[in-house]
Amino acid sequence: DTGVSQNPRHKITKRGQNVTFRCDPISEHNRLYWYRQTLGQGPEFLTYFQNEAQLEKSRLLSDRFSAERPKGSFSTLEIQRTEQGDSAMYLCASTTLTQGYTFGSGTRLTVV
Amino acid sequence: AQSVTQLDSQVPVFEEAPVELRCNYSSSVSVYLFWYVQYPNQGLQLLLKYLSGSTLVKGINGFEAEFNKSQTSFHLRKPSVHISDTAEYFCAVSDIRGGSNYKLTFGKGTLLTVNP
Repeated sequence: DTGVSQNPRHKITKRGQNVTFRCDPISEHNRLYWYRQTLGQGPEFLTYFQNEAQLEKSRLLSDRFSAERPKGSFSTLEIQRTEQGDSAMYLCASTTLTQGYTFGSGTRLTVV
Repeated sequence: AQSVTQLDSQVPVFEEAPVELRCNYSSSVSVYLFWYVQYPNQGLQLLLKYLSGSTLVKGINGFEAEFNKSQTSFHLRKPSVHISDTAEYFCAVSDIRGGSNYKLTFGKGTLLTVNP
């Protein structure tokens, strides 16, 4: 297994458009997390899945954001009606806890 | 709730000099502690972690960190840095109580710049 894979690596979109990002975790990791990182800041927690169940959502995740993890495998994060404030790096991580988190390379979103 | 304070936003050092990146955390419960490194436009790579046991933890690339429970600190050290160590370093904690979601809470990062 080559680690956590995120696609696309970069996305430029016009304000008001919808975007979707994909994360493929390490296959044996049942926990999957999404984080958002803005310039000059540490990553901030967005949401968490254990298998296919979404167990927690941050207050940062407005109604325009939705995440899924069908069948407990890959996950998608969709942002509807994007705003310039959504511009950030979106990071996905998976873990078995004692091994520490493995992060993907992230998707950098730019809203113009 | 947990919080993490990285005391220095930027640390410039010369090549082959020792370095210490400071991290303090606040938590009312037991935590796991982590240090991650991030190179430009990349994700985060785990340097080392403290889960339990010996308070001195050795990681990759010659880094080590010491957990000090009384001072709630987890400072990262390297005895001799290389140009290639130039990157952003993040300290993070995770609540390990049963039923917790184990999410990571990060500090704001320390930019280590190694000069020739």
